[in-house]
Amino acid sequence: DSGVTQTPKHLITATGQRVTLRCSPRSGDLSVYWYQQSLDQGLQFLIQYYNGEERAKGNILERFSAQQFPDLHSELNLSSLELGDSALYFCASSAAGANQPQHFGDGTRLSIL
Amino acid sequence: AQSVAQPEDQVNVAEGNPLTVKCTYSVSGNPYLFWYVQYPNRGLQFLLKYITGDNLVKGSYGFEAEFNKSQTSFHLKKPSALVSDSALYFCAVRDISTGRRALTFGSGTRLQVQP
Repeated sequence: DSGVTQTPKHLITATGQRVTLRCSPRSGDLSVYWYQQSLDQGLQFLIQYYNGEERAKGNILERFSAQQFPDLHSELNLSSLELGDSALYFCASSAAGANQPQHFGDGTRLSIL
Repeated sequence: AQSVAQPEDQVNVAEGNPLTVKCTYSVSGNPYLFWYVQYPNRGLQFLLKYITGDNLVKGSYGFEAEFNKSQTSFHLKKPSALVSDSALYFCAVRDISTGRRALTFGSGTRLQVQP
């Protein structure tokens, strides 16, 4: 058990809809990262938050946004969903320091019908 | 830009034999390197990391990896494979000179250990 909790585990919705994915980091970790895993594009970094502030952006679409709350949990919001957004979305957290590994949750599998 | 290459989509090995999963990287500065394993319907699980120092790094479940700066490689190894090692393995890099904390992952290598 990594200590990172993601909910829900599965999400099925339709094109054009909006969903929110939730992540609780390991106790004490201030950094949260979101990744998308798909068959055609592999694991892609989306966005990072550190102690409530956005730190880095990767290949995140404008239709996607995220935030980290004072209790350090994070939410990834996906809107105007398209079929191509179907993927596994992972959250990871890490302790401070560039040499610290990231610890991953079990992901949310998003299916767009 | 940083990148990682895992040249083999799949590696097959018999139980009890040594295994190697290959990884090469490209960064402009000094790398931090990581190996993760993913089992079906699970998240990525951290195995080991290279930060600095000894080129041979030991990690979880008997895995180790060898950092080779001249060949820009970080191959994952295990002396004796188990059927339970069958999973998807990812190599990842972080270029510390950029200050970027996010990891860049390779495409993954599926390890199949036959009984």
